[in-house]
Amino acid sequence: DQQVKQNSPSLSVQEGRISILNCDYTNSMFDYFLWYKKYPAEGPTFLISISSIKDKNEDGRFTVFLNKSAKHLSLHIVPSQPGDSAVYFCAARAGGTSYGKLTFGQGTILTVHP
Amino acid sequence: DGGITQSPKYLFRKEGQNVTLSCEQNLNHDAMYWYRQDPGQGLRLIYYSQIVNDFQKGDIAEGYSVSREKKESFPLTVTSAQKNPTAFYLCASSIAVSANTEAFFGQGTRLTVV
Repeated sequence: DQQVKQNSPSLSVQEGRISILNCDYTNSMFDYFLWYKKYPAEGPTFLISISSIKDKNEDGRFTVFLNKSAKHLSLHIVPSQPGDSAVYFCAARAGGTSYGKLTFGQGTILTVHP
Repeated sequence: DGGITQSPKYLFRKEGQNVTLSCEQNLNHDAMYWYRQDPGQGLRLIYYSQIVNDFQKGDIAEGYSVSREKKESFPLTVTSAQKNPTAFYLCASSIAVSANTEAFFGQGTRLTVV
């Protein structure tokens, strides 16, 4: 079963506008969430994370929002730049015995047009 | 400078052969992981290790084996029992004991069965 889902395979936005990438999860044990950016044939690079005790975390142009009741998180990129074009993965981690183990979504391809 | 090194970047294997993918880290991280990425899919966990001489199966461990004899090294063997081994393999590491920390990834190894 897919415990972390990114239902939009792709997203296209204009440079300077906002990009919103969404992620849904089903496992109530998840308590830490991360966003990674990935270029083809490279490893993912960490972007931003959020703990389940928060509902928002901001780092420069990147903001992650967490809605625990809806089991939903989103990544906002403002303003979007052409260099942001990549695949974005949402990941989640459960506490307890599976500590450290990440579960990834399928990814969303973001294309930012100049 | 610190990081995770995966080698080789590209690997070709004949059907029925075992092959070992290398992963070395100099970040002094306790935990290491192996993920597999297939086209259009997210990363799926194969094996992970929280400490030396200990490792656990992930979601898709069948046909794979690992060892963790040194903190810095976590090699993955793709055996002939793995029915569909062609994929992009990613190694990662993290500080196992910290509650909120990201995993760092290597650049990946593309394995192709010919």
